[in-house]
Amino acid sequence: DAKTTQPPSMDCAEGRAANLPCNHSTISGNEYVYWYRQIHSQGPQYIIHGLKNNETNEMASLIITEDRKSSTLILPHATLRDTAVYYCIVRAPNRDDKIIFGKGTRLHILP
Amino acid sequence: SAVISQKPSRDICQRGTSLTIQCQVDSQVTMMFWYRQQPGQSLTLIATANQGSEATYESGFVIDKFPISRPNLTFSTLTVSNMSPEDSSIYLCSVASGEGTQYFGPGTRLLVL
Repeated sequence: DAKTTQPPSMDCAEGRAANLPCNHSTISGNEYVYWYRQIHSQGPQYIIHGLKNNETNEMASLIITEDRKSSTLILPHATLRDTAVYYCIVRAPNRDDKIIFGKGTRLHILP
Repeated sequence: SAVISQKPSRDICQRGTSLTIQCQVDSQVTMMFWYRQQPGQSLTLIATANQGSEATYESGFVIDKFPISRPNLTFSTLTVSNMSPEDSSIYLCSVASGEGTQYFGPGTRLLVL
């Protein structure tokens, strides 16, 4: 799996958009970008994934640069419940492949 | 999506004893994964559990310490053997979905005294 680089922590005001960056400069052509988050005392939760086009679902938007070397996860209207550790993972979408987690970004939503 | 349950949710154990953690999925899955999350750390993959064959362990983890069973396509167990305080962690199981994603159980919080 390609390696990713994320800031260790970020703050965001409640109600504002939270933009979490991820660098993955060594991503290969068949690898997708996946985002998970882990709220305190819970198991990780899948958020979104994409290959090269921007993606949006009910939880978040994923913006991938044209060269695919970086991406941004956007939580459009952050709430206190979005306080969590967010993991950016790059891997090929083989359904049986293991996931290797990095350190992630600890996002604090401030009231 | 898959619904995953783990038992026990938490336990406090004495050093030298063993604990078996159960993971139950509400649908049949090919691969199940076991992770460890030490306090304040990210998740570390322990092993991949295949139904009908021996588990595949990651570097630093051995079968004698973390034996795994996978008797069918909806169930797996992880045993933490001969525990020491360094084994105090959250242990999580996960399953692969059809989209290259994984779903995780709620975790088992283990404290070894």
